[in-house]
Amino acid sequence: NAGVTQTPKFQVLKTGQSMTLQCAQDMNHNSMYWYRQDPGMGLRLIYYSASEGTTDKGEVPNGYNVSRLNKREFSLRLESAAPSQTSVYFCASTVSYEQYFGPGTRLTVT
Amino acid sequence: GESVGLHLPTLSVQEGDNSIINCAYSNSASDYFIWYKQESGKGPQFIIDIRSNMDKRQGQRVTVLLNKTVKHLSLQIAATQPGDSAVYFCAEIAGSNYKLTFGKGTLLTVNP
Repeated sequence: NAGVTQTPKFQVLKTGQSMTLQCAQDMNHNSMYWYRQDPGMGLRLIYYSASEGTTDKGEVPNGYNVSRLNKREFSLRLESAAPSQTSVYFCASTVSYEQYFGPGTRLTVT
Repeated sequence: GESVGLHLPTLSVQEGDNSIINCAYSNSASDYFIWYKQESGKGPQFIIDIRSNMDKRQGQRVTVLLNKTVKHLSLQIAATQPGDSAVYFCAEIAGSNYKLTFGKGTLLTVNP
């Protein structure tokens, strides 16, 4: 099992550009999450999907959209990137209390 | 709003010593608490968890203590090793969607 995978690992965008971060899990988990982590900070929840076909906002959803494509995949889209969205983005999945995290995507917006 | 925070941002210990990392939480409705370890360049990794109806839980070399009276959580690592060097986060869950609220983290450095 690969666990939780994320692509890309690194990305540099110019202000106003758009991109989609991809996340997939092979553990048959119902729930999936997107977090961002800023320097010296804990992770903050952007969006989550409790099950296939449902999505809900987390603590910091502004500027992002998500799609739960199927049970395995949960993507995060930045429609018009801003420098404030420079961060490391983590995807996670769970079937219970223990969340499994991917390796992260380091995004820089210039 | 509700938050989870840490008393100490950094902790430096000698190899073989015991480490104690502390965490304060403010949401009295939280029913589950988790400690995560994050090594440089990696995603958080689950260490140990504890339900709100417990006050102590032990794992391999780690113990989590929960004091609901003062809303305090601690992680004890026995015989700390260089491989334990990482940032440690406490997190809490309130509700049925397993949404985590993270604290800011403590950087643990183990000196050989």
